[in-house]
Amino acid sequence: DAKTTQPNSMESNEEEPVHLPCNHSTISGTDYIHWYRQLPSQGPEYVIHGLTSNVNNRMASLAIAEDRKSSTLILHRATLRDAAVYYCILRDWGAQKLVFGQGTRLTINP
Amino acid sequence: GAGVSQSPSNKVTEKGKDVELRCDPISGHTALYWYRQSLGQGLEFLIYFQGNSAPDKSGLPSDRFSAERTGGSVSTLTIQRTQQEDSAVYLCASSPSWTGTGELFFGEGSRLTVL
Repeated sequence: DAKTTQPNSMESNEEEPVHLPCNHSTISGTDYIHWYRQLPSQGPEYVIHGLTSNVNNRMASLAIAEDRKSSTLILHRATLRDAAVYYCILRDWGAQKLVFGQGTRLTINP
Repeated sequence: GAGVSQSPSNKVTEKGKDVELRCDPISGHTALYWYRQSLGQGLEFLIYFQGNSAPDKSGLPSDRFSAERTGGSVSTLTIQRTQQEDSAVYLCASSPSWTGTGELFFGEGSRLTVL
């Protein structure tokens, strides 16, 4: 599986936007970019995924660089409930499993 | 229920005993995954099922670990002769699709403590 690189931790303030970066310079043409998050004492939950174009859903936006070597998860207005570990994962179209890295621990300050 | 259900939520056992962990996936989901997460660590892939077959068992850490899935639904992860290093949260996930675009839905996990 192609590797992703994320900062170990980030901090932001409540009600402000948060931009979580992810580098994936070895991405292949058939790799989808997935984001999951894991709230304390819970299983991971899906956030968003994309291939080439930017994506928006009710939880977040995913901005994908034109060369696809990096992406950014955007939380438009952080709340305390967004404090979690965020995982950026590359998954080939035909891949049967999701391989998690260490993720970014996001702290939201009130 | 609407989500992935795992039982027991907590299990404390003595070293050397066998344990069984159960996962009830979302109805209709063909793919089922087991992961484990040791304290403060990331998620470690264990095994994947497509229907009742397990094409990828590459993550099982030793032959003490086994898993089965029956009727394309419920799955059981069995750990024989448990060791202290088996202590972790065991997470199950299901997905309606095995392809790279399929979203995984995770349960709350089974916390295993081996004394």
